[in-house]
Amino acid sequence: RKEVEQDPGPFNVPEGATVAFNCTYSNSASQSFFWYRQDCRKEPKLLMSVYSSGNEDGRFTAQLNRASQYISLLIRDSKLSDSATYLCVVNPGYGGSQGNLIFGKGTKLSVKP
Amino acid sequence: EAGVTQSPTHLIKTRGQQATLRCSPISGHTSVYWYQQALGLGLQFLLWYDEGEERNRGNFPPRFSGRQFPNYSSELNVNALELEDSALYLCASSLLGGGGKTYEQYFGPGTRLTVT
Repeated sequence: RKEVEQDPGPFNVPEGATVAFNCTYSNSASQSFFWYRQDCRKEPKLLMSVYSSGNEDGRFTAQLNRASQYISLLIRDSKLSDSATYLCVVNPGYGGSQGNLIFGKGTKLSVKP
Repeated sequence: EAGVTQSPTHLIKTRGQQATLRCSPISGHTSVYWYQQALGLGLQFLLWYDEGEERNRGNFPPRFSGRQFPNYSSELNVNALELEDSALYLCASSLLGGGGKTYEQYFGPGTRLTVT
C-alpha cells in the first residue's frame, strides 16, 4: 500500500458544483494532515491543516477519520479559480520520520464555465 | 511578510557537473526542508535542516547534500549530476515547536534544474 493515495482524476465539474476528494494513508501513527493546492508549474500552497476530526474554511471542508486512515476535502460552489491539483499531505510525526511531509500524487480539478 | 525565496529560478547543467541551489526561509522559521518534484511524479522529501543540523534525509544518494547557515538560509548541493536529476527542487520552511511538533510548511517557488 502506498503511503498516501489519492484518486488522480481529473475531476471535470461545472461552476457551482460540489466536489469531494478522498485520500488514504498507510501509517496509523501519522500525526497531522494537510491539503495543499498546486497550480501548473508552481509551488504547492497550503490550503488547510487538519489536526483533529475536521476543519472548515469558507467553501472548503476537510475531514479526518483516523480509524479508517482516511482524509477528505469537500469544495462547495466551485469557482473557475479552484482549477488546480489538490495534494493530500501527511506528516508521519515523531521519531525518525519527523519533519518531512509525505505527499500524495494529487487530484487534478478542472472547473468549467 | 516575505515568503520563502529560492535562487536561481532556472539552472542548466551538464551530466557530471555540480549544482548549488539556495533557499531563504520565512523570517522566524528555523526549519528548512528540500523536496524534489520530477516531471509526472509527486514531491519526494530530500532533506530537513533545523538550527544548522541535518535532522532527517529521504531516500536519496549521498551526492545530494546540503547545509543550513546561522541565518537559517540553506543550500542544496547535487554532485555528479545525472540526467534523472532534472526536476523542480522546492524548498519549504516552518517553525519547529516543542516536543517535536512541527508546523505547516510553506514553499518557495522552486528551482528548475535541467541536466543535459
